[in-house]
Amino acid sequence: QKEVEQDPGPLSVPEGAIVSLNCTYSNSAFQYFMWYRQYSRKGPELLMYTYSSGNKEDGRFTAQVDKSSKYISLFIRDSQPSDSATYLCAMSAAIYSGGGADGLTFGKGTHLIIQP
Amino acid sequence: AAGVIQSPRHLIKEKRETATLKCYPIPRHDTVYWYQQGPGQDPQFLISFYEKMQSDKGSIPDRFSAQQFSDYHSELNMSSLELGDSALYFCASGIGGLIYEQYFGPGTRLTVT
Repeated sequence: QKEVEQDPGPLSVPEGAIVSLNCTYSNSAFQYFMWYRQYSRKGPELLMYTYSSGNKEDGRFTAQVDKSSKYISLFIRDSQPSDSATYLCAMSAAIYSGGGADGLTFGKGTHLIIQP
Repeated sequence: AAGVIQSPRHLIKEKRETATLKCYPIPRHDTVYWYQQGPGQDPQFLISFYEKMQSDKGSIPDRFSAQQFSDYHSELNMSSLELGDSALYFCASGIGGLIYEQYFGPGTRLTVT
């Protein structure tokens, strides 16, 4: 079983809808949670990062972390066709490189399609 | 804003050849991470450097080596290439070794034939 599970989709929704993307994880040591957006043939783009449980909002994006359930979510409000991309969750147990973090652990990504 | 630069963007090599991938971090970034992303896969961490010293090591084969230079750019050297090494190789940069704020480059697509 992978440490981070993410439904690969595709997830297709109409423009303007609220999108919910989710990841579950098994390693209770994870404390830092990130969401990346990756367009085809491009590098992942950091959208948001959060620490421990709670919510964080940035424009149309809201990240939620529930450590008790080992479950994280990214919500996109007023979705746009330009939001169509693959969304990857990523996690780390350590705050600093060299703290045994082994880099980021990624989910496989969810392919999101926003229909105009 | 300046981004992470990777070169070359595409590379075709034959089995058993050697390849060198280069990464130029965002100015003033002192931390570099290397990831390998196979087709339809999530990025897998290979190795990282902070202030020119190796900081973490992931699933990097012994055939690969890397280093970070005095100007903070990094090179990933890959020898005895195998077909399974065909993938996208991403470099990410950050500041102060902070894991949670990594900015990725566009990647180098390596094809081994």
